[in-house]
Amino acid sequence: NAGVTQTPKFQVLKTGQSMTLQCAQDMNHNSMYWYRQDPGMGLRLIYYSASEGTTDKGEVPNGYNVSRLNKREFSLRLESAAPSQTSVYFCASSTILQGGKGYTFGSGTRLTVV
Amino acid sequence: GESVGLHLPTLSVQEGDNSIINCAYSNSASDYFIWYKQESGKGPQFIIDIRSNMDKRQGQRVTVLLNKTVKHLSLQIAATQPGDSAVYFCAERLNTGNQFYFGTGTSLTVIP
Repeated sequence: NAGVTQTPKFQVLKTGQSMTLQCAQDMNHNSMYWYRQDPGMGLRLIYYSASEGTTDKGEVPNGYNVSRLNKREFSLRLESAAPSQTSVYFCASSTILQGGKGYTFGSGTRLTVV
Repeated sequence: GESVGLHLPTLSVQEGDNSIINCAYSNSASDYFIWYKQESGKGPQFIIDIRSNMDKRQGQRVTVLLNKTVKHLSLQIAATQPGDSAVYFCAERLNTGNQFYFGTGTSLTVIP
């Protein structure tokens, strides 16, 4: 009963470095999402995938790319990290697009860019 | 983007008392609302939801009230327990969109 698993849990990057945040869900959900959470701000949607093979931009997509590798996995890539991308990143999944009760979040990745 | 705000960023209550957490939303086209609980170091967890055609919904120890006239949402927690200490978010979904907009959160502290 893992739900949504994110790796890594913590990461420190230097400005300009790249990395990929991994997310996997074992609930057979169709839709997956990447959010970032910053102090004093609500969760903001970066990208989402309504179903396997599709991805769409959310509210704050600049500086990120995503890949829906298969139904289970949805990765978030930072090609050239910037200090402004220091944040806590959450992956979520849901049974249908627009979520609702089916919105299950992972435990987050805390990323610091120095 | 849409603004979903909270009246109070922090709230402290005595164990056993009732808690009320408020949320204002800005778009009258929002048709679905959720309250999430986020404990330290964890992701948000669904607590309760309500659709715009309702004004009240009850769960186990929690009640959500929706006032569409003033675009206000509240979460009531009965007999608050130490395990209720967390940050609580409201989220709204527009009836035309594919995403939720989250509030900044209220930090609830339960005093034993």
